[in-house]
Formats: sequence, C-alpha cells, structure tokens
Amino acid sequence: RKEVEQDPGPFNVPEGATVAFNCTYSNSASQSFFWYRQDCRKEPKLLMSVYSSGNEDGRFTAQLNRASQYISLLIRDSKLSDSATYLCVGRGFQKLVFGTGTRLLVSP
Amino acid sequence: EADIYQTPRYLVIGTGKKITLECSQTMGHDKMYWYQQDPGMELHLIHYSYGVNSTEKGDLSSESTVSRIRTEHFPLTLESARPSHTSQYLCASSEDMQGYGYTFGSGTRLTVV
Repeated sequence: RKEVEQDPGPFNVPEGATVAFNCTYSNSASQSFFWYRQDCRKEPKLLMSVYSSGNEDGRFTAQLNRASQYISLLIRDSKLSDSATYLCVGRGFQKLVFGTGTRLLVSP
Repeated sequence: EADIYQTPRYLVIGTGKKITLECSQTMGHDKMYWYQQDPGMELHLIHYSYGVNSTEKGDLSSESTVSRIRTEHFPLTLESARPSHTSQYLCASSEDMQGYGYTFGSGTRLTVV
C-alpha cells in the first residue's frame, strides 16, 4: 500500500464548478501535509499547506482529518487555468512523500 | 524568480555518453533531492542529501550518482547514458524543519538516443 494515495482522475468539470479531491495517508506519525500543483511538463509548485484547523486561500480550501487520515482540497468557481495535476503530499520519515496526483480538466 | 536552478533545461545525447545534470540553490538549504518523472507519471525519489558530504539513495533504484561538496550544489551524473534513462529529472531543496515543503527547479528533460 502506498503511503499517500490519490484518485488519479481525470476529473472533468465545467468552468465555475466546485470540485473536491481527497487523499489518504497511512503514516499516522506524519506531521505536515501539502497540496502541490503540477502543470504538464513543468515542475511541481506548492499550492498550500494543510492544517488540522483547515485553511483557505481564495478559491482553495484544504482540510486535514487526522482521525480518518485523509486530506482534502476544495476548489470553488473553477477556472480554465486550474487545469493541472494536484499532488497530495505528506511528510514521511525526514522527507516528503508525494501521491501520484489527481488530474483536473476544466472545460469552457 | 527561481531560487533553485537546473541546467541544462533540455539535453539530447547519444548512448554511452557521460552526462552531468546541474542543480544549484541560493537559499542555503541543507536538504536537497533528485526526482525522476516520466510524462504523466508519478515522481520517484532517486537521491537525497541532508548536507555537505551526505548522500543517500532514494526509493527508486537509479544508475545515476550524486555528490554534495558544497551546500548550494547537488549535481547528478550518469556515467554511461542509455535510452532507458530518458526522463525528466527534477531537483528540489527544503528547509530542515517540519512544516516546510520543497522548492523544485524547472527540471532537465533528458533524451538518450
């Protein structure tokens, strides 16, 4: 079983839709979690950190549920420019563990 | 404005050649990493370093080697390139503290013909 698991998608949504991604992690000792965004043939870029209290950055909301060991990312009012792969990331033993990514396609 | 630089951005090279992919960061980070990623596929950690003279192999076995003689520099070397080494190689660095993510370079897209 992978340490961080995500649904690979793709998620096809129209512009303006709300879309949510979940990921699960197996290492209960993980302390830090992140969502990264990766555009096609580009490097991953940090989108936001994930805190137990949840955090919001504009149209993006991240939540951490330690009891169920899952992390979520909610995107409201999807834009065409949101089309990308979203990587769920947890901190393993001294290094980050990346999920395989969930692909999002936003269409006009 | 990038604080972590990779060169070259693209490289096409013949089988059997020796190559070195460069990675430098100006953030003073002790931790640095090399990932390999094929198009549309997941990231695979192949090497990492926790500081000068420290190098470790990652989760995916790789024929490449790395060195860390200076904090800011973490080059990756392939002694004899093969077509199976064709991939994108991404370098990253991080703060040595919980709560901090990685900053990635723009990557080197390697094609071995």
